[in-house]
Amino acid sequence: DQQVKQNSPSLSVQEGRISILNCDYTNSMFDYFLWYKKYPAEGPTFLISISSIKDKNEDGRFTVFLNKSAKHLSLHIVPSQPGDSAVYFCAARENYGGSQGNLIFGKGTKLSVKP
Amino acid sequence: ETGVTQTPRHLVMGMTNKKSLKCEQHLGHNAMYWYKQSAKKPLELMFVYSLEERVENNSVPSRFSPECPNSSHLFLHLHTLQPEDSALYLCASSPDRGEWEQYFGPGTRLTVT
Repeated sequence: DQQVKQNSPSLSVQEGRISILNCDYTNSMFDYFLWYKKYPAEGPTFLISISSIKDKNEDGRFTVFLNKSAKHLSLHIVPSQPGDSAVYFCAARENYGGSQGNLIFGKGTKLSVKP
Repeated sequence: ETGVTQTPRHLVMGMTNKKSLKCEQHLGHNAMYWYKQSAKKPLELMFVYSLEERVENNSVPSRFSPECPNSSHLFLHLHTLQPEDSALYLCASSPDRGEWEQYFGPGTRLTVT
């Protein structure tokens, strides 16, 4: 069963508007959450992260929100730009009593930003 | 070269062939990973190496055999693969095992015929 779920395989947004990508998780032992961005023919690149002790982290146009009680996180991109068109992967890291584990990835959401 | 490189970028092989995928990282990292990305599936962790020692084998069939001769190089040796093994194989590295930020290579697109 998937521990990290991205239920929207694709999202289309107009340039200048806000893009909101969602991610749900099931494992309460996750201590770090990350978003990766992937262009075609390239490997995923790290975008932004958030620790489980925070509820928001902002970096320029990108903000990640974490709602631990709902086991939900979201990535907001504002304003969206055509260069943001890519596949976005949500990932979470397991932490078992101080022993940090592996990254668990979602299936990805393909974002298309229309000019 | 900087970052994480992978060769070849594309590979087509028959089920009886033997081939190897190569990964090299120029970041001075101590941990390296192999991931598999199949269509419409999440990235699946296959192997983890820390300081050239395999620390995790995520229930991967023996037809996939990893090798880490030093902390900069990682290989994935392939033999008698099945068509369902066709996927994008991604290599990644991180400063140490368990670091949350991993650096990925561009991947090898493998097709098994």
